[in-house]
This record gives sequence, structure tokens and C-alpha cells, in this order.
Amino acid sequence: SYELTQPPSVSVSPGQTARITCSGDAFPKRYAYWYQQKAGQAPVLVIYKDNERPSGIPERFSGSSSGATVTLTISGVQAEDEADYYCQSTDGSGSYVFGPGTKVTVL
Amino acid sequence: QVQLLQSGAEVKKPGASVKVSCKASGFTFNNYDIKWVRQATGQGLEWMAWMNPNSGDTGYAQKFQGRLTLTTNSSISTAYMELSGLKSADTAVYYCARGGYNSFESWGQGTLVTVSS
Repeated sequence: SYELTQPPSVSVSPGQTARITCSGDAFPKRYAYWYQQKAGQAPVLVIYKDNERPSGIPERFSGSSSGATVTLTISGVQAEDEADYYCQSTDGSGSYVFGPGTKVTVL
Repeated sequence: QVQLLQSGAEVKKPGASVKVSCKASGFTFNNYDIKWVRQATGQGLEWMAWMNPNSGDTGYAQKFQGRLTLTTNSSISTAYMELSGLKSADTAVYYCARGGYNSFESWGQGTLVTVSS
């Protein structure tokens, strides 16, 4: 099995940039996916295949990859972006793994 | 639009089984994997299993093998997740999701399963 590592929390002021990292042996061989989960709600896919944005996701959400680390960047953070964010990948043989999650607090 | 509507909350005793349903609409059910994830209170997301309704192929996380069963009924676009031998540690919100390319594209609203004596 393999694991993904994320920082437990990130704090950012409105209008600033939040960066959430995710590290693991899955990268860069496998794509990364990112989910936003607001309190009491189901997760929402915000980035797929490292850096693609699903329709309806604001442009301030972007993803990047460098070696064994992938990063979710939220530019111009808004109060509504306060949530837990999870990275996710696969082992290539039908198993999936999620990172432990990062709580983003908008100050 | 894509919707996944899950069955309501359940309370079960230790050792019992629970079956959660996930009714899909807004897309061709047989064309997408249905995946299952759970989340204990205050904890992270845990992948459990997936199933392809068209082929019947399945994949299970090792920790659930032997007590987790996925089924589908394509005639009513519904997927089912049955977990047996329930323990208090199985108390969680269970989600179904439509599978994208190695991802979880759209999610159901979640079903709370409480295991308590």
C-alpha cells in the first residue's frame, strides 16, 4: 500500500494565496485529484489529472505537480473557500487512496 | 444534471449488516463505475470499493474484503453497498460517487450508519 501526506492545516487571509501540498510515492507516476469538502457536505472534485479543472469550478483553483509533490493553489482566497481539502491518487491497479486532508482557514 | 440519491440513515447493532442504496440519474448508469467512500466523524475520507455496472467488475480495499459486497440493478440505475459484521468502528457517513478517470466525479449526499448496542 502507499500513503499520501498533507499538512493538517493552512491559514490564509482573504485575497491571498493558499497552497496545499500532497506528497507520496504515487507521484509523479500517477495523477493527483483534489476534493473540497465544506462542513456537513459531500466532497466536490475541484482538480483532476493534476491540473485540470472541472466545469463550474472557479479559475482561482489550480493544480501543479513537481516530482513526488503535487500542489493545490487557491488564488485570491474567498471566505467561501474555507473547507477541508483532500488529495487522492491511485495505485494503477484499481485501488485508491486519499490524503489525510488539510483544513483551510480563512482569517 | 448528475444526481446520486442515497438511502436514509441507519442504526445497527454490532454484528449486524447494513445495505445502503445509491440511485443514479442524469447519466447513463452502465457507462460509469460507482465507487464507495466512508468518513468517520471528524476523520478523513476512506476509499472502500468500486463496481462497474456493465461488466460487473469490482475492486475492494483490502481491509474490507470478505465483509463488503457491492451490487447494482441497472434496470433502476441503483447501486448497493452491503457491509456485514458491523463494529462500532464502522460508524461513519458512507458516500457513493460516480467514477471518473481514476477519480470520484460526483458524490451522493451521504448515508450515516451508526453501530451501537
